[in-house]
Amino acid sequence: QVQLQESGPGLVKPSQTLSLACTVFGGSISSNSYYWSWIRQPAGKGLEWIGRIHPSGNTNYNPSLKSRVGISLDTSKNQLSLKLTSVTAADTAVYYCAKANLETGTNRLLTGFDLWGQGTLVTVSS
Amino acid sequence: DIVMTQSPDSLAVSLGERATINCKSSQSVLYSSDSKNCLAWYQQKPGQPPHLLFYWASTRESGVPDRFSGSGSGTDFTLTINNLQAEDVAVYYCQQYYSAPLTFGGGTKVEIK
Repeated sequence: QVQLQESGPGLVKPSQTLSLACTVFGGSISSNSYYWSWIRQPAGKGLEWIGRIHPSGNTNYNPSLKSRVGISLDTSKNQLSLKLTSVTAADTAVYYCAKANLETGTNRLLTGFDLWGQGTLVTVSS
Repeated sequence: DIVMTQSPDSLAVSLGERATINCKSSQSVLYSSDSKNCLAWYQQKPGQPPHLLFYWASTRESGVPDRFSGSGSGTDFTLTINNLQAEDVAVYYCQQYYSAPLTFGGGTKVEIK
């Protein structure tokens, strides 16, 4: 079955750029039936949606992060990537990649996030 | 942005009893064209990613025990856990997927009394 695995540095210095990858195993990241998202969760707190991308190239970002975030797909590696610039301690969190299903022909989400990676902890500290 | 508000923040329920979690959206998440509510529920256990329980507010994801049920429409939704089991101890989140930015409720922690 399809699995997601996040990877990237666990420690990033303040003001630098956080870069993460999410590899899709057992399925194609190029399927038009899916939207791929990044979601984060500070320790002991709730979930925050960062943004999403469709294989068509369509992206949506959380307005609270929009000026600092970029999400892209690398179909040759079957990977989703996240870049978050100018990080601060407030960006310390577990970062998850997740998949949602898209309704054919309507561009409407069919479900919530039905598949998640295990998450990767990123700490912002000097 | 659609704001999702869950209540209570936490609750303690005896084994075998019922747990009820409420979720309210700041605007309707109902598609009037087909009367579907773009509302999902998740269960998150410590050290694990969230796990989808329901979508369309009341459609149970495969493998979810039928003691869990989802209900509601428009702006008011409920997750009910009947016959609470020890393995149901977790934090539960609602989430709207009606419009971006996708937003989550703050979570409800369910414990055993």
